[in-house]
Amino acid sequence: KQEVTQIPAALSVPEGENLVLNCSFTDSAIYNLQWFRQDPGKGLTSLLLIQSSQREQTSGRLNASLDKSSGRSTLYIAASQPGDSATYLCALQGGSEKLVFGKGTKLTVNP
Amino acid sequence: GAGVSQTPSNKVTEKGKYVELRCDPISGHTALYWYRQSLGQGPEFLIYFQGTGAADDSGLPNDRFFAVRPEGSVSTLKIQRTERGDSAVYLCASSFAGWNNEQFFGPGTRLTVL
Repeated sequence: KQEVTQIPAALSVPEGENLVLNCSFTDSAIYNLQWFRQDPGKGLTSLLLIQSSQREQTSGRLNASLDKSSGRSTLYIAASQPGDSATYLCALQGGSEKLVFGKGTKLTVNP
Repeated sequence: GAGVSQTPSNKVTEKGKYVELRCDPISGHTALYWYRQSLGQGPEFLIYFQGTGAADDSGLPNDRFFAVRPEGSVSTLKIQRTERGDSAVYLCASSFAGWNNEQFFGPGTRLTVL
């Protein structure tokens, strides 16, 4: 059974800092990995999708990497802003169409 | 175009009552998913539709939960004899058919069972 772990559970940084969020998974047989952002009381906003054949994806200040052999993905956020404060979730699509989620990392960027 | 919409945004009910939660997917998306998110947890899969049929309902916790998608577009998640443990945010997502397609989520319905 696929298990997804996100560490740390919470992270607080000053504005402008570059930061990395981590996601690890137990089964490397995945089709893709998606990073989401969730604001309090809101649904999920898709940030990046990495196909299993890819190693990274970039969108603006965000860069996500995927290393299937080690069972890891990272989300790099450059020059963080207070508006980046949210919970970040990673999710995998493996042997079926459903997504398996981690518990998320709650990010706070302090002005 | 419009994103995934869900109604109601909030639902408060009493233990033992029946509730229906509605999801309207992105136009053209044939795949539709229901997830449930408890406080402090990531979403957990409930059921997946491809067109009108439930392709995978392995995440439904028990037979009090049922979902339909009669015309291959709007879906309704139905919960009978609600229990306090059913309280959660119910999220709907849609995507194009097939593997490796990005799932887009709605804002969710917050269900509270008193």
